[in-house]
Amino acid sequence: DVQLAQSGVEVKKPGESLKISCMGSGYTFTTHWIAWVRQKPGKGLEWMGIIYPGDSDTRYSPSFEGQVTMSVDKSITTAYLQWSSLKASDSAIYYCARQGETGGQSLDVWGQGTTVTV
Amino acid sequence: SYELTQPPSVSVSPGQTARITCSGDALPKQYAYWYQQKPGQAPVMVIYKDSERPSGIPERFSGSNSGTKVTLTISGVQAEDEADYYCQSADNSGRYWVFGGGTKLTVL
Repeated sequence: DVQLAQSGVEVKKPGESLKISCMGSGYTFTTHWIAWVRQKPGKGLEWMGIIYPGDSDTRYSPSFEGQVTMSVDKSITTAYLQWSSLKASDSAIYYCARQGETGGQSLDVWGQGTTVTV
Repeated sequence: SYELTQPPSVSVSPGQTARITCSGDALPKQYAYWYQQKPGQAPVMVIYKDSERPSGIPERFSGSNSGTKVTLTISGVQAEDEADYYCQSADNSGRYWVFGGGTKLTVL
């Protein structure tokens, strides 16, 4: 079974740092892009960026460039999203999702989401 | 930055056909994808590459592309189809992905 398991609920204060995780299993982790998607309470999905675990090639949405950092640890098939200084406006659910087997921009498997409250 | 435009809401009665549109300048060049999201759940892909249906998605879900507009069609809508639907695609370069603003489908 292909799965993405995300880390748990986070409650932080403004100015604190945070790193959330997304562990892939059941597939070849290094050959599928991982996307991060933000959803603020009662709002729509926002594409934050993507990272290719094979070589850590990363593309950020202009809206999130410089605000967050994406990274991976191939040895433990885990992708990360981190903040150096959180703001109240970062409160949201953050999803990771895998590029699908069909390629392109498809996201065929999603994590359960990590709720971040600042 | 590139944007995809969806209507905020669509309402249909059970058994009718729902059509949700998504407009964007790069859609003639880039595929569109559709996701269904129910309250408290992660999104689920229901259409990929404009009109392909993933395994496990009911046949009543279909997609089409007509230039700068793509359409998700749900034939014979059921109560369980009530959800938010998002289109997704990329800019002309293909490097930057984007979601539409989402459409809330209400089954009357």
